[in-house]
Amino acid sequence: GAGVSQSPSNKVTEKGKDVELRCDPISGHTALYWYRQSLGQGLEFLIYFQGNSAPDKSGLPSDRFSAERTGGSVSTLTIQRTQQEDSAVYLCASFKTSGPGTQYFGPGTRLTVL
Amino acid sequence: GEDVEQSLFLSVREGDSSVINCTYTDSSSTYLYWYKQEPGAGLQLLTYIFSNMDMKQDQRLTVLLNKKDKHLSLRIADTQTGDSAIYFCAQGGGGNKLTFGTGTQLKVEL
Repeated sequence: GAGVSQSPSNKVTEKGKDVELRCDPISGHTALYWYRQSLGQGLEFLIYFQGNSAPDKSGLPSDRFSAERTGGSVSTLTIQRTQQEDSAVYLCASFKTSGPGTQYFGPGTRLTVL
Repeated sequence: GEDVEQSLFLSVREGDSSVINCTYTDSSSTYLYWYKQEPGAGLQLLTYIFSNMDMKQDQRLTVLLNKKDKHLSLRIADTQTGDSAIYFCAQGGGGNKLTFGTGTQLKVEL
């Protein structure tokens, strides 16, 4: 595809439910990030995948958050037992690690936990 | 650790120049970036500068880098209402994790 896509664009869930957010990166991009952006806040790094290396999970806020990247392409961010403070826009970005390593962002998934 | 700081808000009149400032801490950053986020949208890369450059110009955009002071700025000439957005500074690159600032909200008034 032409760019990074994310689904769903909006997700409303009840507190305590699990959610899965999907990211389809640009074909050929070896690296992928997940970020969280809360209302009026900057970007909070969550997790980083680079090729076949072990992911950098240092930004995950709790063990309720996990992510995987299958076949070096599509990534899924899973939040278990959602809490109201998980409400945010979750952004995915992919990039090549050669050259400037410019990150290309998807439109994000807006998660609302009631 | 790595840290990137920006002022939160800037208001300018249409037609004036806007200057958005950023300070960063990681002197080993290979590249520094400016991203734009319009309401309800993801981040869009505006421009980037290699760390061994002092200045980069791209149409209405001018990026200035002062490595000694670890200071980066983005100047938008002839600011238009369509430039109203949040602007993020980021450091890193070359395969390293990027660190983003909190963003500067630019408001362009008529």
